[in-house]
Amino acid sequence: DVQMTQSPSYLAASPGESVSISCKASKSINTYLAWYQEKPGKTNKLLIYSGSTLQSGTPSRFSGSGSGTDFTFTIRSLEPEDFAVYYCQQHNEYPLTFGSGTKLEIK
Amino acid sequence: QVQLKESGPGLVQPSQTLSLTCTVSGFSLTSYNVHWVRQPPGKGLEWMGRMRYNGDTSYNSALKSRLSISRDTSKNQVFLKMNSLQTDDTGTYYCTRDRLITTVANFDYWGQGVMVTVSS
Repeated sequence: DVQMTQSPSYLAASPGESVSISCKASKSINTYLAWYQEKPGKTNKLLIYSGSTLQSGTPSRFSGSGSGTDFTFTIRSLEPEDFAVYYCQQHNEYPLTFGSGTKLEIK
Repeated sequence: QVQLKESGPGLVQPSQTLSLTCTVSGFSLTSYNVHWVRQPPGKGLEWMGRMRYNGDTSYNSALKSRLSISRDTSKNQVFLKMNSLQTDDTGTYYCTRDRLITTVANFDYWGQGVMVTVSS
């Protein structure tokens, strides 16, 4: 199985700042990485798939990059509604596997 | 609009069988794959298995011996059954929709999840 190592597990930032989250795969997953947002009381939201493709409705301040084993998720100019938990997921092969999550909190 | 809703018992005794239902609306089970994903408290997400649009199933090998996924297309429902439950099966169970049936999955819709506790 592909192991996904996500870091940091916790991140504190202020509105208006930019933040980045790393996700590393134990072997190449080409560009097949998705990013999700988890917020209390809401269903999980797909933000990005295939490494850098924004899902319909995802604001342009969100971006993803990377290929092979190293990927980065960036939120530019944080909005108050962006404080949440973020997960990466490889969609290159089965079984699908996820990162352990990053909790983004307001500083 | 697309919705998925999980239902089932909140408490299951050890060694018993878990039965969950995912009721979907806004799309057809014959056009999209539906997956089950779970999350133990304080831990990460684990993919469990899927029901494909054509009725085929596939499972995480770690769970395959205990897991069964089926469906009733007339009721727009996908079912999960997992036997021999232990305390480490405690967690939130989600059903999800595959964004595209032609690729390895990522999920454009999730249910709210159902919390399952395994305890005597």
